[in-house]
Amino acid sequence: EIVLTQSPDTLSLSPGERATLSCRASQSISRNYLAWYEQKCGQAPRLVIHGASSRATGIPDRFSGSGSGTDFTLTISRLEPEDFAVYYCQQYANSPITFGQGTRLEIK
Amino acid sequence: EVHLVESGGGLVQPGRSLRLSCAASGFNFNNHAMHWVRQAPGKGLEWVSSISWNSGNILYADSVKGRFTISRDNANNSLYLQMTSLRTEDMALYFCARAECGGCWLIDYLGQGTLVTVSS
Repeated sequence: EIVLTQSPDTLSLSPGERATLSCRASQSISRNYLAWYEQKCGQAPRLVIHGASSRATGIPDRFSGSGSGTDFTLTISRLEPEDFAVYYCQQYANSPITFGQGTRLEIK
Repeated sequence: EVHLVESGGGLVQPGRSLRLSCAASGFNFNNHAMHWVRQAPGKGLEWVSSISWNSGNILYADSVKGRFTISRDNANNSLYLQMTSLRTEDMALYFCARAECGGCWLIDYLGQGTLVTVSS
């Protein structure tokens, strides 16, 4: 099983600042099958990034993903008020599909 | 627009069974693998099970293997999760989720979920 570890657990920033979220895998993720999801309170998760760096439909370009192998990053270039949420990374290369524990992005 | 509506959740005693359903609309259900993902109260996301477009490839998390059964009815655009021998640790919000394609596993949409409470 591929274990995903996200850091930090909580990130406190202000609107307009840059957010950098990390996801580290216990083994290399083939074909960069790494996705990021955003979950706001009381809502279903929404796909943000897939294939490590491809934005999902409707996702603004302030969101970007990077990385390969075991180290991946989600960057939000200039935080908007609606971006404050919990973000999960997920690998879909191997069974079982696994998620990271999540990073809570909160308003400072 | 992709629409996934879960139903069938509720309060059930440990050891009992429950069947979840997911009604899909807004896309060609036959062309997509499907998943169940759950989230315990205040916790993160946990993948539960996946089924390919033609039910030829089915996967389960170890935590539910032998107790849960995923199935689909392509004629009625429906996904199911039969849960037996329920445990308190199965208590969660269960999301129905669509995969990007028929034989791949990227989740691109999730429903709003149905809550399963396991308690005596």
